[in-house]
Amino acid sequence: DTAVSQTPKYLVTQMGNDKSIKCEQNLGHDTMYWYKQDSKKFLKIMFSYNNKELIINETVPNRFSPKSPDKAHLNLHINSLELGDSAVYFCASSPPSLNTGELFFGEGSRLTVL
Amino acid sequence: SQKIEQNSEALNIQEGKTATLTCNYTNYSPAYLQWYRQDPGRGPVFLLLIRENEKEKRKERLKVTFDTTLKQSLFHITASQPADSATYLCALDLSGGYNKLIFGAGTRLAVHP
Repeated sequence: DTAVSQTPKYLVTQMGNDKSIKCEQNLGHDTMYWYKQDSKKFLKIMFSYNNKELIINETVPNRFSPKSPDKAHLNLHINSLELGDSAVYFCASSPPSLNTGELFFGEGSRLTVL
Repeated sequence: SQKIEQNSEALNIQEGKTATLTCNYTNYSPAYLQWYRQDPGRGPVFLLLIRENEKEKRKERLKVTFDTTLKQSLFHITASQPADSATYLCALDLSGGYNKLIFGAGTRLAVHP
């Protein structure tokens, strides 16, 4: 009965590789997000999708490409991984009502680039 | 420049006391401010939301204040318990509807028995 689930939880890979993180929510929410939490613990928004449409795209390198096949899924694909991509990536979702939405976060995917 | 600042040092308090955490921001005009709790290795969990026209919000042992003149929010936990030990994050909602939250780095709270 997990609300927002991400896979994998841990990912260790070499520089230059391509990897994906998957996210699914069973809350019926319309909006999903990807956040990055770096070593200093700052959570920074990367992308937001509402009903499969991109609505927030922060200044993220275009090596990062989100894909939303339906409103319950938002996957993150990363090409040509770099050392600086090492971080914890959190998926989140929020309910349909505007202006009052709290975020429901997944447990995070820790990416380590060697 | 725009900044969100939370106490960078850990806050250590005795069980039963009131914990007060501070969130200060500059050069933002958020419509909403949210507080989250994050335990090690877990995702943040929503606690409270307060709107710019609200001075105070309460939920059980939690209380949040929001002073848009001082550009500050205070987060209080009364009758604190060791189980309240965690990192608490404040987040500003700047997007006016799309939950584009800007997070502070968080304050780690340790409640000692």
